[in-house]
Amino acid sequence: QLQLQESGPGLVKPSETVSLTCTVSGVSISSSSYYWGWIRQPPGKGLEWIGSIYYSASTYYNPSLKSRVSISVDTSKNQFSLRLSSVTVADTAVYYCARHECSGRTCYSFSYYFMDVWGKGTTVTVSS
Amino acid sequence: QSVLTQPPSVSGAPGQRVTISCTGSSSNIGAGYHVHWYEQLPGTAPKLLIYDNSNRPSGVPDRFSGSKSGTSASLAITGLQAEDEADYYCQSYDSSLSGLVFGGGTKLTVL
Repeated sequence: QLQLQESGPGLVKPSETVSLTCTVSGVSISSSSYYWGWIRQPPGKGLEWIGSIYYSASTYYNPSLKSRVSISVDTSKNQFSLRLSSVTVADTAVYYCARHECSGRTCYSFSYYFMDVWGKGTTVTVSS
Repeated sequence: QSVLTQPPSVSGAPGQRVTISCTGSSSNIGAGYHVHWYEQLPGTAPKLLIYDNSNRPSGVPDRFSGSKSGTSASLAITGLQAEDEADYYCQSYDSSLSGLVFGGGTKLTVL
């Protein structure tokens, strides 16, 4: 059964870099059928897409975060990771990883992918 | 301010029908990009509810349906049940931002 599990430090100091990992089980992250992405949700607020990656390491990032974000994939460990630098209190959120799927005719473009399987999320608190 | 606009809240009595709108623009929904809907029960991760405007994943009841017209999309829930009380989010792609975008979310209250 497909499962995604986020892991990382729960508490980070302002200006530091936070690194999160998503471990995928039940399917190979090297499958050409999927993208893999990160989404976050600040306390009491809505969802924000952070970025996504293909197994070949092709990436897409939210323009508002692009200068501080890096997403990488480790096919040997079936994991993908998020690095967010220069964090502030505004980066406090629950961070979710998710698989991106597409349906048949629209798989030629990342723009048509949707998030069909989500991890349970990991809370990151930025505080001194 | 979200690129996709949803009403902050909607409500309905058990058994009733409610709709949640998702209004975009010519650079996202109006450009032909698909709309997807997610349900987030309290304290849990989002779950895919509708993909490609109107398709239900396996296991999602047919009480849930989606539609799209012009620069807007809608999620309809019929036969409202207490367990439908959740936050609902629409999602699409925006060509001006070159990325995935979410609506601000709608809290559904079952009276």
